[in-house]
Amino acid sequence: SQQGEEDPQALSIQEGENATMNCSYKTSINNLQWYRQNSGRGLVHLILIRSNEREKHSGRLRVTLDTSKKSSSLLITASRAADTASYFCAKAMNFGNEKLTFGTGTRLTIIP
Amino acid sequence: NAGVTQTPKFQVLKTGQSMTLQCAQDMNHEYMSWYRQDPGMGLRLIHYSVGAGITDQGEVPNGYNVSRSTTEDFPLRLLSAAPSQTSVYFCASSYSGTSGRPTDTQYFGPGTRLTVL
Repeated sequence: SQQGEEDPQALSIQEGENATMNCSYKTSINNLQWYRQNSGRGLVHLILIRSNEREKHSGRLRVTLDTSKKSSSLLITASRAADTASYFCAKAMNFGNEKLTFGTGTRLTIIP
Repeated sequence: NAGVTQTPKFQVLKTGQSMTLQCAQDMNHEYMSWYRQDPGMGLRLIHYSVGAGITDQGEVPNGYNVSRSTTEDFPLRLLSAAPSQTSVYFCASSYSGTSGRPTDTQYFGPGTRLTVL
């Protein structure tokens, strides 16, 4: 079974707006990762946040992690048409990446 | 570096046929994993390996075999294909962290789209 879900399942916003998507999980994790998948393509690693971190930034991406609520959020600021994709969170129970548990994803559409 | 490569990109099988999906990486990663992605779903772990000669089952291992004779290659074998195995298969690799190399990024291959009739 897939641990945790992304919310919302789909999101459409105007170009230039910010996009926020959330991920929840059920058991303790070592780290949580966010991936982007363009239609029909492989996954691209965006950012990793460890269980002892609360916030992390990478360019226009901001990720937060609340271990007490077992949830994470991904914020994409100043969205662009090229950000149109599906976004997945993946939970790692161990330090390594060999066993990730993926959520069902958020499909983000940026309207030009 | 070519990264993670997968062959073939597309494959159609008949029920009962067997085949091997190839995965190779040239980054000297210790960890390699196989996932399947069904329509509208996230990825589910089939099998994984933490090093040459070491493999283990993931969430959905039934109907699949793996082996890891070298660091570079991690083939996935479908023993007797079934329509339920119609899916997109992704291979991934990353460092283990024991060598001090960065573990923050996992690399995915482009995927193999498999249809079983």
